[in-house]
Amino acid sequence: NAGVTQTPKFQVLKTGQSMTLQCAQDMNHEYMSWYRQDPGMGLRLIHYSVGAGITDQGEVPNGYNVSRSTTEDFPLRLLSAAPSQTSVYFCASSWGAGWREKLFFGSGTQLSVL
Amino acid sequence: SQQGEEDPQALSIQEGENATMNCSYKTSINNLQWYRQNSGRGLVHLILIRSNEREKHSGRLRVTLDTSKKSSSLLITASRAADTASYFCATDETGTASKLTFGTGTRLQVTL
Repeated sequence: NAGVTQTPKFQVLKTGQSMTLQCAQDMNHEYMSWYRQDPGMGLRLIHYSVGAGITDQGEVPNGYNVSRSTTEDFPLRLLSAAPSQTSVYFCASSWGAGWREKLFFGSGTQLSVL
Repeated sequence: SQQGEEDPQALSIQEGENATMNCSYKTSINNLQWYRQNSGRGLVHLILIRSNEREKHSGRLRVTLDTSKKSSSLLITASRAADTASYFCATDETGTASKLTFGTGTRLQVTL
């Protein structure tokens, strides 16, 4: 199993550009989530999904969209990139009943918005 | 605001010494977890302690939880250079919808 796979690993955008961060997991996990990590801030939840077709907002959802059409994939879309979205983004997944007890993380996407 | 606050922010020790890091939180929890993050990598789950437990061991890791003080500690015994990483606590707060709340982390440096 590959676990949680994030692409790309690095990305540079100009202000106003849009892009999609990809996240895929091969563990048949129902729960998937996106976090951003900023220095001194820890990880903050952006959006999460408890199953295909179900998504909800986290702590810092503004400027981001998500969809969950399959169990495996949970892409994060930046609609119009801003310098404040410069961060490291992590996708995480877990199984349904135990999702609050152990998250599996991808290796992250480092995004710079100029 | 952050639920978990780790202390210290950074810790430097020599190989073979013990490393202790602390986490304080603000609200009632179902469980508290510790994760490790190596530089440039994702977080890896280390250990979970439930709200009705006071101490838990896993290999060289020892976690304690004091719900009356809303605090937890992670002890790594006989540290190795490979333990160099950032360590985060995460809390599953009671009554919240579908999220874990992460602290700001402790950066541990283990030197030879």
